[in-house]
Amino acid sequence: AAGVIQSPRHLIKEKRETATLKCYPIPRHDTVYWYQQGPGQDPQFLISFYEKMQSDKGSIPDRFSAQQFSDYHSELNMSSLELGDSALYFCASSLTGAEETQYFGPGTRLLVL
Amino acid sequence: GESVGLHLPTLSVQEGDNSIINCAYSNSASDYFIWYKQESGKGPQFIIDIRSNMDKRQGQRVTVLLNKTVKHLSLQIAATQPGDSAVYFCAENIVGGADGLTFGKGTHLIIQP
Repeated sequence: AAGVIQSPRHLIKEKRETATLKCYPIPRHDTVYWYQQGPGQDPQFLISFYEKMQSDKGSIPDRFSAQQFSDYHSELNMSSLELGDSALYFCASSLTGAEETQYFGPGTRLLVL
Repeated sequence: GESVGLHLPTLSVQEGDNSIINCAYSNSASDYFIWYKQESGKGPQFIIDIRSNMDKRQGQRVTVLLNKTVKHLSLQIAATQPGDSAVYFCAENIVGGADGLTFGKGTHLIIQP
């Protein structure tokens, strides 16, 4: 079965640079979620989108923004990167109304130097 | 959430034995619970879920138990196999409420041969 696709899988950036992470949800899923996971920590919810509109907001820094496009893929834009932004970034998707289960992608590992 | 750094709780079991992983959830209003398995460098993988109107649900080799009185969730894995080695997270949510899942602290399951 098709799963959530994330790109790139690995990314290395310098401090103060910008990064864009992409997420392609499971086909027919209309909601995407972004999570950040630091080393040895549990995933922390950042933001979600339903039908191209922001649905919920978690602990997303003001330096980050995200959007969902007409084909339901989503992009997480990260600016003025800091060393502390180094983490795994996961996208998850779900089908609203059918089930609440969020299915996660393989993640993007971001390293800020 | 509170950081536990790199020191996750660890459960070591013999191959073939049953494993029981416990989780205390935080929000008494939560009505949907999920167990995820996360292998090193990969995204959380859905294992099983349960709604608050149930106290037990069984899957293939896995059983989830929910005790709402003490806000406790457990995952039982029967006949543990080497491929079960991973970090296991419980997550909670409120159906129709906030989108983001709240994850519990993971437990690292180690299978001894």
